[in-house]
Amino acid sequence: NAGVMQNPRHLVRRRGQEARLRCSPMKGHSHVYWYRQLPEEGLKFMVYLQKENIIDESGMPKERFSAEFPKEGPSILRIQQVVRGDSAAYFCASSPRSGADNEKLFFGSGTQLSVL
Amino acid sequence: QKEVEQNSGPLSVPEGAIASLNCTYSDRGSQSFFWYRQYSGKSPELIMFIYSNGDKEDGRFTAQLNKASQYVSLLIRDSQPSDSATYLCAVRNAGGTSYGKLTFGQGTILTVHP
Repeated sequence: NAGVMQNPRHLVRRRGQEARLRCSPMKGHSHVYWYRQLPEEGLKFMVYLQKENIIDESGMPKERFSAEFPKEGPSILRIQQVVRGDSAAYFCASSPRSGADNEKLFFGSGTQLSVL
Repeated sequence: QKEVEQNSGPLSVPEGAIASLNCTYSDRGSQSFFWYRQYSGKSPELIMFIYSNGDKEDGRFTAQLNKASQYVSLLIRDSQPSDSATYLCAVRNAGGTSYGKLTFGQGTILTVHP
């Protein structure tokens, strides 16, 4: 049973380019969460998605960032016109269901984004 | 005041000793508490979760929760060099339906030396 799969593992972009980060949840999981980890900081929640729906995007920056989880295929976190401050590790996590107090997140290996 | 606060360390203990990691949180209505371990350059890995006041033991790990004091801790008995990692405390706040929306502390770096 494969875990949460993220790609690419490392992504280098120049300022102003677009970054696309992909996440395939664990088999049987239909809930996807994106977190960002800046250097020397803890993980920060960005967005929560189910298939074809954004449930909670309260942690997403207002501009340049978007996320989707289509009916088919992986979840995508898209960052337009990247700036150096976007350099961070982006982690995707999935869970099997929502509504349970014992909801547990399983994290992918992350995408390290470096903006030159 | 940070919502979830941890001593960033580093915490250094000798092999075989008990490592004690502490975490405080500000939201009194918080429901669930998690400890994740993160090796350098790797993904966070869930090692313990606790919802009720008191202690919860799993192998060498014991999580302790005191909701009145808004305090959660993780004890690692018989510490091994392989336990050397960053330990992240995470809290799921009350309300809402985003059950995987956790607030993380900044992590405590633990070093277990032989």
